[in-house]
Order: sequence, then C-alpha cells, then structure tokens
Amino acid sequence: KAGVTQTPRYLIKTRGQQVTLSCSPISGHRSVSWYQQTPGQGLQFLFEYFSETQRNKGNFPGRFSGRQFSNSRSEMNVSTLELGDSALYLCASSIGHADSPLHFGNGTRLTVT
Amino acid sequence: GESVGLHLPTLSVQEGDNSIINCAYSNSASDYFIWYKQESGKGPQFIIDIRSNMDKRQGQRVTVLLNKTVKHLSLQIAATQPGDSAVYFCAESYPSGGSYIPTFGRGTSLIVHP
Repeated sequence: KAGVTQTPRYLIKTRGQQVTLSCSPISGHRSVSWYQQTPGQGLQFLFEYFSETQRNKGNFPGRFSGRQFSNSRSEMNVSTLELGDSALYLCASSIGHADSPLHFGNGTRLTVT
Repeated sequence: GESVGLHLPTLSVQEGDNSIINCAYSNSASDYFIWYKQESGKGPQFIIDIRSNMDKRQGQRVTVLLNKTVKHLSLQIAATQPGDSAVYFCAESYPSGGSYIPTFGRGTSLIVHP
C-alpha cells in the first residue's frame, strides 16, 4: 500500500506570495491533518479534515487554510507569506476513528525569502 | 525532556544497550499517547501507542510506560541498533470533534554508536 504522498518536496517563495501544498493520503484513509514543523516551535497542529469537512483547527492565523476533496486528497494554502512561515509542512492521514494512529508523509520544505 | 531553541535533548548509547527516552506531558485530559520516530529528511513514523487505561504496552523491542500520577511517559528500546538513531517524539492526545488532537513534545535525539 502506498504511503502518504506530499508534493512538492521543496518550495521557495517570496514574502507576500501565496502557496498551495498537496497531500495524497493512504488509500482508505478519510482523515487528513496538517502540521508545521520548525526548530523553534517543534511540531504544531494546523487543522484536520474528515470527509471533506474541517473537523479540528489549531491556533494558526486565517492565512492558513485547507480543504479536502471527495477522494480524500487534501490541499493546504498559505496566503501573504511571511518569513516566519518557513518550515517543514507535514501531512498525516488516518482511518479517522478516535485514537487511530497517524501516518505521515515526508513533508514539503517551504522557504520564504 | 524539554528543549531550548534549536537544541534537542540528546541521548547517546552504545549499540546493544537499552535506551530509555522520557517525556512529560501536561494535559490531565489526555487519554491517548503515541511515540513517533523521525529520521532525517523523513516524516514522523508511528512506533507504539498506549491508552490511559493502561500503564504498560510492549511492541517489538519497544515498551511504553505511562505514569498518569506524575504525567510521565517513557519509551524503552531494547538492544538499540544504529538504525534506531533518530529524533523521538511523544504526543499526548485528547478527544475533540470525534478524533484525537495530538500535542507533540519537542523531541529527543537518540544517537547510537556502533
């Protein structure tokens, strides 16, 4: 079974631009969640989608948004990029039941200059 | 353990030794706990989980211990191998909206010397 796939692997953007990251979950997984990983703040939860609906949201500004499609694939968008948005963005999928373990992709490394 | 800025707590062991990685959690409402391993350039990989109604769970070469009284979690790795070198994260989760939202610890870097 293929794992979680994230594209692109690396991205360089300029302040003020916007970016869209993509995530394809493991087949059969209906929950997709997104995380930001930085050396200073560690792994922080952004949001979770289940059956195309946002089910949970972390403490990030409205510039960070996401969506999930009917095939469970998900996209994350960051608008008006800031230097501090430079990070590794990780997507994880799960069956979606309470206490089902997360399966992570290898992330998209975003650099904002 | 806690980390400051870029510096993660580091545990150095010899190949074949047993490793113990500790984690303190903060939320008394957390009732599901997970350990993840993250190798350089990769996303976190699930190792083992434990629910709050248990205090010990064993997997292949790994054991997780949960002490709810002091809100402490540990991961024991038996006969540590060079391939175990990675950053290890604990995560505490509480129920929200039908799923569990994990809060991750800062991580511990495990270095295994051959």
